[in-house]
Amino acid sequence: GQQLNQSPQSMFIQEGEDVSMNCTSSSIFNTWLWYKQDPGEGPVLLIALYKAGELTSNGRLTAQFGITRKDSFLNISASIPSDVGIYFCAGQKYGGATNKLIFGTGTLLAVQP
Amino acid sequence: GAVVSQHPSWVICKSGTSVKIECRSLDFQATTMFWYRQFPKQSLMLMATSNEGSKATYEQGVEKDKFLINHASLTLSTLTVTSAHPEDSSFYICSATRLAGVQETQYFGPGTRLLVL
Repeated sequence: GQQLNQSPQSMFIQEGEDVSMNCTSSSIFNTWLWYKQDPGEGPVLLIALYKAGELTSNGRLTAQFGITRKDSFLNISASIPSDVGIYFCAGQKYGGATNKLIFGTGTLLAVQP
Repeated sequence: GAVVSQHPSWVICKSGTSVKIECRSLDFQATTMFWYRQFPKQSLMLMATSNEGSKATYEQGVEKDKFLINHASLTLSTLTVTSAHPEDSSFYICSATRLAGVQETQYFGPGTRLLVL
């Protein structure tokens, strides 16, 4: 199945550092979403973006919907140990009978106290 | 709000047996539910889309006779892995769509880990 290109694949940082990851696609999406997945759990929605150019924050997290509608980025400021996990972007297209999500390849984040 | 549960959380079975996994939206009605499969160190791959009262739509390469999906109500969808084999061992995750105004958001269950011996 189709997947979105997400980078970096993994990041190992010190507590307090800022983090940035991005997601790109060859096709346009109407919605971009960012999820975090802890080991052995389902993804949890962090931020949803619905309009091109939109910049949305959720606490220390900030995400933007690219102007071209083919990319998005997620920033985490002042990382803490509980930020550890796998972050997935997901794109959604409208139309047809359902609105399926296409997931990115994931970014593994490790935060050293 | 927007809680999705899955049962069981994990299951171990012998090769050739069938396994049923339930997905429930606990505090909302979901017009659409999705089933995903995730192998270790990989992303979520959509298997099928399930709409209440109609046949599921399967993604290319997913055998509909092997992965039976039933969407009995607006809060329950089941996935049955028939005649499971070791290569079916994976993490199966469902999601349920909640409509808020004109925006649809998918909420994910905690996943079911299947190990086929």
